[in-house]
Amino acid sequence: AQTVTQSQPEMSVQEAETVTLSCTYDTSESDYYLFWYKQPPSRQMILVIRQEAYKQQNATENRFSVNFQKAAKSFSLKISDSQLGDAAMYFCAYRSEKTGTASKLTFGTGTRLQVTL
Amino acid sequence: EAGVTQSPTHLIKTRGQQATLRCSPISGHTSVYWYQQALGLGLQFLLWYDEGEERNRGNFPPRFSGRQFPNYSSELNVNALELEDSALYLCASRSGLQGSGSPLHFGNGTRLTVT
Repeated sequence: AQTVTQSQPEMSVQEAETVTLSCTYDTSESDYYLFWYKQPPSRQMILVIRQEAYKQQNATENRFSVNFQKAAKSFSLKISDSQLGDAAMYFCAYRSEKTGTASKLTFGTGTRLQVTL
Repeated sequence: EAGVTQSPTHLIKTRGQQATLRCSPISGHTSVYWYQQALGLGLQFLLWYDEGEERNRGNFPPRFSGRQFPNYSSELNVNALELEDSALYLCASRSGLQGSGSPLHFGNGTRLTVT
């Protein structure tokens, strides 16, 4: 079974600074997707960024980028120029693309990000 | 485009009762997923419905059940409620038309409290 590990329960960053959230995963498969979701106090899970395992190029979405190291099974999220609105719980998630699998997302336990002035 | 909608927002039940949670997916989405998010824990996969059929379920007892209607909306039923069922229940939908890389879109959840 696949597992996703987020070893940082909480992180703090000053406004306008850069922060990196860590995520590692365990899988024996070669085809999969990785996602970062954000959950603000409003509770809704919002997709931040996704990465296809077969792509070597790291995904980027505006101030958000990932460092995907397939061999190391590492998928960290970098937030540049942090804003107060970035404060939220961040979840790393894995989905297998193997035929016949459940197509479900497996989530890590999350990292709570605080943004300070 | 309207997002995934869940009702009710909050639900308070007593131990032993039954709870029914509802979810309407984004228009055009045929797959619906249910997740349980207990306090301090990550999201645990509960159920996956696609085209009206239950495709997979997570490691939860049979008193957690559900169904998907012809309009692709879904219902999660929890029977014989226990205190540890208190959690945020999130529904998500996905369109198979976008290919396997399409992300899940989540609703705001139903907060279930069992007293």
